[in-house]
Amino acid sequence: GESVGLHLPTLSVQEGDNSIINCAYSNSASDYFIWYKQESGKGPQFIIDIRSNMDKRQGQRVTVLLNKTVKHLSLQIAATQPGDSAVYFCAENSGDSSYKLIFGSGTRLLVRP
Amino acid sequence: DGGITQSPKYLFRKEGQNVTLSCEQNLNHDAMYWYRQDPGQGLRLIYYSQIVNDFQKGDIAEGYSVSREKKESFPLTVTSAQKNPTAFYLCASSIGTGGNEQYFGPGTRLTVT
Repeated sequence: GESVGLHLPTLSVQEGDNSIINCAYSNSASDYFIWYKQESGKGPQFIIDIRSNMDKRQGQRVTVLLNKTVKHLSLQIAATQPGDSAVYFCAENSGDSSYKLIFGSGTRLLVRP
Repeated sequence: DGGITQSPKYLFRKEGQNVTLSCEQNLNHDAMYWYRQDPGQGLRLIYYSQIVNDFQKGDIAEGYSVSREKKESFPLTVTSAQKNPTAFYLCASSIGTGGNEQYFGPGTRLTVT
């Protein structure tokens, strides 16, 4: 399969523990943020998103937190499972009239059995 | 099934040849995007199109060309002018106005020797 994230920051967690992946953004005009999961050799898959009028949003086993004051976004995964092992990307919209997303560099999550 | 498809999964070309990567979506999305991904890095925007018959350069457009003659299709041509074309190429689409989430295809791994 395709190798992605050979030199990415890596978070290693024990199966069953909670995981927290962090992301910093720089564009004050961004009002939409999204997390993607990418498994080796595949395209990114949507996990969860949040708009700037919220500071927390929950999904199934995942929570996204947004701190606009310090321009910080985090993804929390509860009870991490081996199937969660992947590279995780945050992205923000450009804040202008385009539909573009600006992607972060990614974090590799490794789940130890 | 609705979705976004890319073909082929793997593509091999000799240096100096142009090659066209296919991207098709049946989601009725207005906007489509092409990204390049290298090992250890995030997604870099090559070109995007927000409506049929219109497209804009992204961050790394040099050596690439696109067309958007149909809403469903957004082919990418990697020309011989692209100095380092070997990479994983991802196509995405989004609904356009009112929606920022991008849906990704499975990717095409291009190897140029």
